[in-house]
Amino acid sequence: EAQVTQNPRYLITVTGKKLTVTCSQNMNHEYMSWYRQDPGLGLRQIYYSMNVEVTDKGDVPEGYKVSRKEKRNFPLILESPSPNQTSLYFCASSFGGGPEAFFGQGTRLTVV
Amino acid sequence: AQSVTQPDIHITVSEGASLELRCNYSYGATPYLFWYVQSPGQGLQLLLKYFSGDTLVQGIKGFEAEFKRSQSSFNLRKPSVHWSDAAEYFCAVAPGNTDKLIFGTGTRLQVFP
Repeated sequence: EAQVTQNPRYLITVTGKKLTVTCSQNMNHEYMSWYRQDPGLGLRQIYYSMNVEVTDKGDVPEGYKVSRKEKRNFPLILESPSPNQTSLYFCASSFGGGPEAFFGQGTRLTVV
Repeated sequence: AQSVTQPDIHITVSEGASLELRCNYSYGATPYLFWYVQSPGQGLQLLLKYFSGDTLVQGIKGFEAEFKRSQSSFNLRKPSVHWSDAAEYFCAVAPGNTDKLIFGTGTRLQVFP
């Protein structure tokens, strides 16, 4: 089954404690991205990757890092989380050259 | 800059009634257009998409949307709403031949029996 898998689904952490949210897709997609969803703001792109070792900032990259060492994986790293990063995060992938995206189930992150 | 506007934050309809969710976009050329649905606690599921061709597109779950270039709109419709349609709906555009999606702020649909 074609899918995008995020882990964990729920995470509560403390300010400053580094964390990683994993994302994996099994569709051999080239393009992957991370979004955050906040009430009244919709989804905003954090980072994206057009292929292995190719990443770039989206609209709200501050406080986040990503890496793309393998085609299937695109982890989101918060080196020093802060409460304003409390949000619902989605990973998405698409084939590339066309924007039809498949989304993961989401990760609800709370930073206290 | 490209943007998407969903003017209705919250809509309430009775089961069996018709539905129209509004979406307007700002972009110089014709973008790729999408509607996604997010059920409570779930990820986003693609309802339908418009790339080119026939301006009336059919999607899953009985939804359709019509692209109107003159109005820069891509409104979502369903003739008869079911209680299971209660969810949040997002309109999105992808400018040009890119993979980036720009989302509207969403419309929350509530369905009364």
